[in-house]
Amino acid sequence: GENVEQHPSTLSVQEGDSAVIKCTYSDSASNYFPWYKQELGKRPQLIIDIRSNVGEKKDQRIAVTLNKTAKHFSLHITETQPEDSAVYFCAASNTNAGKSTFGDGTTLTVKP
Amino acid sequence: DAGVTQSPTHLIKTRGQQVTLRCSPKSGHDTVSWYQQALGQGPQFIFQYYEEEERQRGNFPDRFSGHQFPNYSSELNVNALLLGDSALYLCASSLRRTVNYGYTFGSGTRLTVV
Repeated sequence: GENVEQHPSTLSVQEGDSAVIKCTYSDSASNYFPWYKQELGKRPQLIIDIRSNVGEKKDQRIAVTLNKTAKHFSLHITETQPEDSAVYFCAASNTNAGKSTFGDGTTLTVKP
Repeated sequence: DAGVTQSPTHLIKTRGQQVTLRCSPKSGHDTVSWYQQALGQGPQFIFQYYEEEERQRGNFPDRFSGHQFPNYSSELNVNALLLGDSALYLCASSLRRTVNYGYTFGSGTRLTVV
């Protein structure tokens, strides 16, 4: 089955700096890669996603890149703000199968 | 537009007991997936229901079972509870046939087994 590895497990940056979180996946059939943000005590929320036919996608300060050949994808957050502090999860899924496999999460701390 | 609702929010059970967790998907969604999230870890896939049938199952024992009703709501049942079943149980809904396949999560049920 699919295996998703996520790095780093913790990341601390100064406000205004950029943050990058990287994930690798094992199943070449995976074709959909969402990212979720989970604040303390709250539900995971979808913040951005990318499909296998696209190499990069941006939404304001957030961007995701995908390298299908290397089977890795990354989340980039620019101009970080304290409210970006949360746990971020990457996931990989095959839209034909439906199930998403999650990484173990990255705890991002943005210091004011 | 109601999101995903789960009940109860918290639950304390004794080893060996049985528990039923409930989930109502987001309006318009037809697929329900259940995940177990242990502290400090990513959500682990339990199973997925679509058209009232279990479509996929993760690496969980038969003690974990579920059901989906005609109104798309779903239940997760766990029998013979173990201490290791203590976790946050998340329900995620989605629309099966759509370009946008991201999940909408509920707030979860925190299960503590003592």
